[in-house]
Amino acid sequence: EPEVTQTPSHQVTQMGQEVILRCVPISNHLYFYWYRQILGQKVEFLVSFYNNEISEKSEIFDDQFSVERPDGSNFTLKIRSTKLEDSAMYFCASSSAPGGYEQYFGPGTRLTVT
Amino acid sequence: SQKIEQNSEALNIQEGKTATLTCNYTNYSPAYLQWYRQDPGRGPVFLLLIRENEKEKRKERLKVTFDTTLKQSLFHITASQPADSATYLCALGASGNTGKLIFGQGTTLQVKP
Repeated sequence: EPEVTQTPSHQVTQMGQEVILRCVPISNHLYFYWYRQILGQKVEFLVSFYNNEISEKSEIFDDQFSVERPDGSNFTLKIRSTKLEDSAMYFCASSSAPGGYEQYFGPGTRLTVT
Repeated sequence: SQKIEQNSEALNIQEGKTATLTCNYTNYSPAYLQWYRQDPGRGPVFLLLIRENEKEKRKERLKVTFDTTLKQSLFHITASQPADSATYLCALGASGNTGKLIFGQGTTLQVKP
């Protein structure tokens, strides 16, 4: 069964450093998402992406964040200058259609900012 | 502001019984509602989707209802098994094409043998 994959599984970085989280969505999906989950809290939407453009972003997704689909398979989330409060589990998801269709989530990348 | 509430306390039930989880929302008019399962340290796994014009959906031992007047969804697992023990997340989506989901904090279900 196809699945979303994410790398790395765990990333430790120092405050102020840039990180890139990588995702390989399901191959025939066209809609991509990033969510985050701070330990013990709810899953929060960050951004949706379609046709090489951001469809919607949340208030969390400020100028420090960016997304890119550098090739036909990868989808990345970059945090330019990490803060302690960026420590969280970051989930990538993809779907075959937008709104009203199931989203397939990856296993997540645990980001720890020290 | 938009608010989604799920049973904050863990739900403990005996194997074979029906588990009923609740999702209530305010200040929101979702076009659809989804239920996901999340195991510790893992990503959410899609279970069921129900649209605003649907009252009930079933899939094997799972059933979801959606009452837009009460602003509530109920999620039922019949003949529960210890393997059903997990956190269950309610997620709401608006009309439009962005796919953004707003999640509740989840309810942890523990099924005891």
